[in-house]
Amino acid sequence: SQKIEQNSEALNIQEGKTATLTCNYTNYSPAYLQWYRQDPGRGPVFLLLIRENEKEKRKERLKVTFDTTLKQSLFHITASQPADSATYLCALETFAGRRALTFGSGTRLQVQP
Amino acid sequence: EPEVTQTPSHQVTQMGQEVILRCVPISNHLYFYWYRQILGQKVEFLVSFYNNEISEKSEIFDDQFSVERPDGSNFTLKIRSTKLEDSAMYFCASRVTGGESNQPQHFGDGTRLSIL
Repeated sequence: SQKIEQNSEALNIQEGKTATLTCNYTNYSPAYLQWYRQDPGRGPVFLLLIRENEKEKRKERLKVTFDTTLKQSLFHITASQPADSATYLCALETFAGRRALTFGSGTRLQVQP
Repeated sequence: EPEVTQTPSHQVTQMGQEVILRCVPISNHLYFYWYRQILGQKVEFLVSFYNNEISEKSEIFDDQFSVERPDGSNFTLKIRSTKLEDSAMYFCASRVTGGESNQPQHFGDGTRLSIL
């Protein structure tokens, strides 16, 4: 069956360090992989999207990599700040069938000042 | 920046009652979605809607659920005869285009539905 896995344990890092979050998937052929941020009691906020034929995407302090051979995406936040503390969700989208997103369970990031 | 807005932010309802959750998608968006998130669990797809009809629905979206775009701006989710297990956050999302586009979905802040 299709599965998306993100680190279920919280990630605690010091301010200024780089946070690296992992998303692994099985039995999928995603067209797009997206990363969202979710704060408590709020809806997911779109951060970055990467296509299946792209290896890397950057936006300011954020970087996403996508390895379709390993079936893995890495999400990096450089020069992390306490305001980056949130849950980060990985979401896959395929061309086949519905264009809905399938989400991972998210990784909670805590950046300590 | 345009936003997806949802009302109410919190809805408390007795089991067996009907509820309507409301959403105003971003104005030039054409594709609309409902998702739900049970406390502590993943965000799950319910239904997608385009051109005034359902495009896709998940196994969760059974006969108890219905969606409607009653006018040019609102998009509603109706749950008939609510059950305790319907308690969750319900998120509306919209996207400007579909097909083979790489446009992301934009989410509202959700309606917390509590069934007593």
